[in-house]
Amino acid sequence: KQEVTQIPAALSVPEGENLVLNCSFTDSAIYNLQWFRQDPGKGLTSLLLIQSSQREQTSGRLNASLDKSSGRSTLYIAASQPGDSATYLCAVDRQSGNTPLVFGKGTRLSVIA
Amino acid sequence: EAEVAQSPRYKITEKSQAVAFWCDPISGHATLYWYRQILGQGPELLVQFQDESVVDDSQLPKDRFSAERLKGVDSTLKIQPAELGDSAMYLCASSLLTDTQYFGPGTRLTVL
Repeated sequence: KQEVTQIPAALSVPEGENLVLNCSFTDSAIYNLQWFRQDPGKGLTSLLLIQSSQREQTSGRLNASLDKSSGRSTLYIAASQPGDSATYLCAVDRQSGNTPLVFGKGTRLSVIA
Repeated sequence: EAEVAQSPRYKITEKSQAVAFWCDPISGHATLYWYRQILGQGPELLVQFQDESVVDDSQLPKDRFSAERLKGVDSTLKIQPAELGDSAMYLCASSLLTDTQYFGPGTRLTVL
C-alpha cells in the first residue's frame, strides 16, 4: 500500500527566506506526482505536476523535483512571502495513471513579515 | 477559467440525519473523484467515477454512504444516517484521463 510522508509537519520562516518542503513515498511505481496548496477551510489548488518521466517542474518562484527511484520529491520556494502561508500537500497516483491520488498529511507553512 | 463546482459550501446537521452533497466537474472531464479530508490529514478517496460508472468505491462506507453520477456529468454524494465521525471536508475533483486533478472548494460538514 502506497504511503506518502511529508516533513516537516510545520514550518515557520521569516519573509524572504528560501525554503524546501520534503515528500517521500514508499512505492516508486507512480505515474504523476502533484504538489497542492490549501488555504484554511478551502479546497486544493494544484501548484505543479511532475510526470514520472520528468525530473522537475518550475512555476514562478516554485520548483519541484522528483527522484522516482528513491521515492522522494522536494518543493523549493524562493524568496518566500507572507502570502505563501498555507498548507502544502504532496500526492501521487498509480503507475497506470487516471487513478486516485494518495496524499501526505501536508506541511503547514507560516511566513512571517 | 473552468472550475469544479460544489454545493453547499457548509452543512451543519445532527447525527442520524441525512445529508447530500453535489458536484459539477469541469466540462468534458470524464473522471470524477470524491475525497474526504479529516482536519489535519490529507484527503482520502471515497469513490471514483469514469463517466457514469463506479471505478473504485473500496473505501466508501456503503452501509451509510452512497454516490451516483447518473448522466456521467454531475454527481451526488449522500450520507444516511450521519454520524459524529463524518465531520470533515468533502472534496470533489475531476480530470481528463491522466491529466492534473482539479479540485472544487469542498463542502465542510459538521455533525452535532
